[in-house]
Formats: sequence, C-alpha cells, structure tokens
Amino acid sequence: QVQMVQSGTEVKKPGASVKVSCKTSGYTFMDYHMHWVRQAPGQGLEWMGRIFPDSGGTYYAQKFQGRITLTRDTSITTAYMELSGLTSDDTAVYYCVREKWYYDYWGQGTLVTVSS
Amino acid sequence: DIVMTQSPDSLAVSLGERATINCKSSQSVLSNSNKKNHLAWYQQKPGQPPKVLIHWASTREAGVPDRFSGSGSGTDFSLTISSLQAEDVAVYYCQQYYNSPRTFGQGTKVEIK
Repeated sequence: QVQMVQSGTEVKKPGASVKVSCKTSGYTFMDYHMHWVRQAPGQGLEWMGRIFPDSGGTYYAQKFQGRITLTRDTSITTAYMELSGLTSDDTAVYYCVREKWYYDYWGQGTLVTVSS
Repeated sequence: DIVMTQSPDSLAVSLGERATINCKSSQSVLSNSNKKNHLAWYQQKPGQPPKVLIHWASTREAGVPDRFSGSGSGTDFSLTISSLQAEDVAVYYCQQYYNSPRTFGQGTKVEIK
C-alpha cells in the first residue's frame, strides 16, 4: 500500500530555515510527481511547488520563489522541502502530496511553528 | 493563475438532507486534448490531510460512498451530498489541475443543522 510518512513537528525562530522530509513506499517513486501544499492554522490549502522525481526538475509558486527548494533522494524514495527566511506567516502544516493528475495520496502533514 | 471560487463558505444541513457546494473557475478547465474537466473535490476533517472524493469533475474515487457526486463542465461545478451523514461534517475544497500553479477554492464548511 502507498505510504507517505513525513518528518516530525518543527519549531523555528524567525529567519531560520526548515527542511521537511517525506518518505514514500508502496509505489514506484519515479513515476509520480510530488507536490507540496501548506495550510496555515484555520486557513485553506496553498500550493507551494512540485518536483519531478525522475529528472529532479522543479516548479515553484511565485510567492515562494527564492525561498523554497524541493529535492529528492531516489535511492531512499524520499522527497524534501526546504523553506528559508521563515516568518510567523510560515507557521502552517506542510503536506507532501502524490500527483496522479489529481492528488491521490497525502502525507500526514508536518507542523512548522515559527516563533521567537 | 486560475482562481477557484466556492460558494457558500459554510452551510448547515439536517441529517439526511441534501448539501450542494458550488465551485467556479476563472477560466475553463476542460481540456481539448482529453475532453476531460481537470477538477477534483477533496474532503478534510479536523486534524487530517485532505482526501480526494471526486476527480475529472464527476468520477468518484474508489471507496467513496455514492451519496457523493460531482457535476459540471468548463467553469462551473458542483459537489452534492445526497443524504448528509454525521461523518460528512468537514471542509470541502475544489481544485483545478488543468495547469500550474494548481489552485484550490477557499473551502466550504459543512455542518449539521
């Protein structure tokens, strides 16, 4: 069965960076694009970017350009999302999501809290 | 970017009654190449990630109860819950996957009246 297990809760200070991992299993990692979506407390869903696991090619939302880096390690079928220059507005749950045209599998989410 | 607008923002429906959520896209999400509407509906319960209910605007995901149905084409879509159950209390989102960036509606909260 498909599983997408994310790393645990993070607490960061303003200006710091965070790197969230998403370990996948149960499917061929290279065959599906991986997206990242975040959700601020009590708010809606915000698309951040995607990575093509086969080539490593990326596409980022304009809002996060310059601050976000998506990478992957195909040897351990894991995707990563790194966000730098954190502010309190980045406090949110971050999800990795498998794309089969639509989003068919989601990670459990990683809460990132930015606080001084 | 394609803007997705849902209505209403929230609705309260009696158990067993029908609930309908609307979603409008700022441009058509109907593909000329595959003749499909690139529109999905997700359900999110508190503390959980979203779960896909409907894709291609009207195709139920495997395991989704048949009281959930999707309709519409082009720019106007609807999600209908034919007979609301207690476990359907959630926030529902539409999403277009016609182009990038993928965009979501703002969400509709469904509660029991």
